[in-house]
Amino acid sequence: SQQGEEDPQALSIQEGENATMNCSYKTSINNLQWYRQNSGRGLVHLILIRSNEREKHSGRLRVTLDTSKKSSSLLITASRAADTASYFCATDARNYGQNFVFGPGTRLSVLP
Amino acid sequence: DTGVSQDPRHKITKRGQNVTFRCDPISEHNRLYWYRQTLGQGPEFLTYFQNEAQLEKSRLLSDRFSAERPKGSFSTLEIQRTEQGDSAMYLCASHASGSYTDTQYFGPGTRLTVL
Repeated sequence: SQQGEEDPQALSIQEGENATMNCSYKTSINNLQWYRQNSGRGLVHLILIRSNEREKHSGRLRVTLDTSKKSSSLLITASRAADTASYFCATDARNYGQNFVFGPGTRLSVLP
Repeated sequence: DTGVSQDPRHKITKRGQNVTFRCDPISEHNRLYWYRQTLGQGPEFLTYFQNEAQLEKSRLLSDRFSAERPKGSFSTLEIQRTEQGDSAMYLCASHASGSYTDTQYFGPGTRLTVL
């Protein structure tokens, strides 16, 4: 099974609300990354958090990492219709015998 | 535009035919990855190159699949005797090993439909 598992699978919110997505993984990691994918397009890197970091911010994005629980969360504040996309977490466990492993994603719909 | 290009963007083929996809990574990136993505799923790792050396292949990569990266620049992914189950989006990503950001830059993908 895949290393990363996002939760929820789908999320629908109103514009202006906050969206929170969670990711759980199984093995030790070097870092964890979040990507966005618009329908039918390639993935765009959003943010990377290293295993020795607990929280990072980038604009309206806030990522947390809890290595003891092997979980991460992505918070998008003040969502916009343009945030509608699929969001994937990817774990980098190359020091532990695995390459980048993506979860199945959370499909976010932001309604105007 | 991430700087990674893939060609073609769409490919429709009949079962049993061979297909070849090309990926041009960001020029200074020495690592190149291939992934396969089916509808509603995340990308699944297929293989990766460090310069021209193919360092790892997933068990998903059957003997009908072959990838090359001559001269450590562009890469090709060939699927022989295509099957309907090969229908998917094939994504390429490049990465500069040793970079602080460890970011992979993805191309737009090649969508394969096997009839």
